[in-house]
Amino acid sequence: DAGVTQSPTHLIKTRGQQVTLRCSPKSGHDTVSWYQQALGQGPQFIFQYYEEEERQRGNFPDRFSGHQFPNYSSELNVNALLLGDSALYLCASSWTRTDTQYFGPGTRLTVL
Amino acid sequence: QKEVEQNSGPLSVPEGAIASLNCTYSDRGSQSFFWYRQYSGKSPELIMSIYSNGDKEDGRFTAQLNKASQYVSLLIRDSQPSDSATYLCAVNEGGADGLTFGKGTHLIIQP
Repeated sequence: DAGVTQSPTHLIKTRGQQVTLRCSPKSGHDTVSWYQQALGQGPQFIFQYYEEEERQRGNFPDRFSGHQFPNYSSELNVNALLLGDSALYLCASSWTRTDTQYFGPGTRLTVL
Repeated sequence: QKEVEQNSGPLSVPEGAIASLNCTYSDRGSQSFFWYRQYSGKSPELIMSIYSNGDKEDGRFTAQLNKASQYVSLLIRDSQPSDSATYLCAVNEGGADGLTFGKGTHLIIQP
């Protein structure tokens, strides 16, 4: 049973650039949530996608946007990158009728 | 604003002893409670979930919930060096809502 997968593993960008991160949920899951984890901090909820729509959003600016595809995979886009966007970006998948979320391995984004 | 508080540690426990990790939360509407383990450089791994007041046991792990005190804890019995990691407490209002995490407690099991 394939777990949650994310790509790429690592990414280096410069300030002002744009980045797209990708996530494939665990088999049987239909809901994808994205989190940002800065060094030494707990993950912070960015947003959640279900049925190809953003269902819930955390306290993140509009520079952070996303998309969910018919196969339930998802993308996280960040525009106008700031140094403070450097973090581990985590994707978690779940089935909409449950609340248990399983995390992928994450994408480490470094903004120079 | 929803907050989850954890002692950042490090919490140092001798091998074979019981490790006790604590978490408090601010939102009385919270319905679901989770403990995740995160090794350095890795992603969080789910250990346990708990929804009702009282204790829930799974192997060497016991989660305890007290909604009146807004308090969740995780006990690890017979601690092993492989238990050394950061333990994250997370809560939500139920359903598939986004999780609110604490900053995590860094646990060190001393051989």
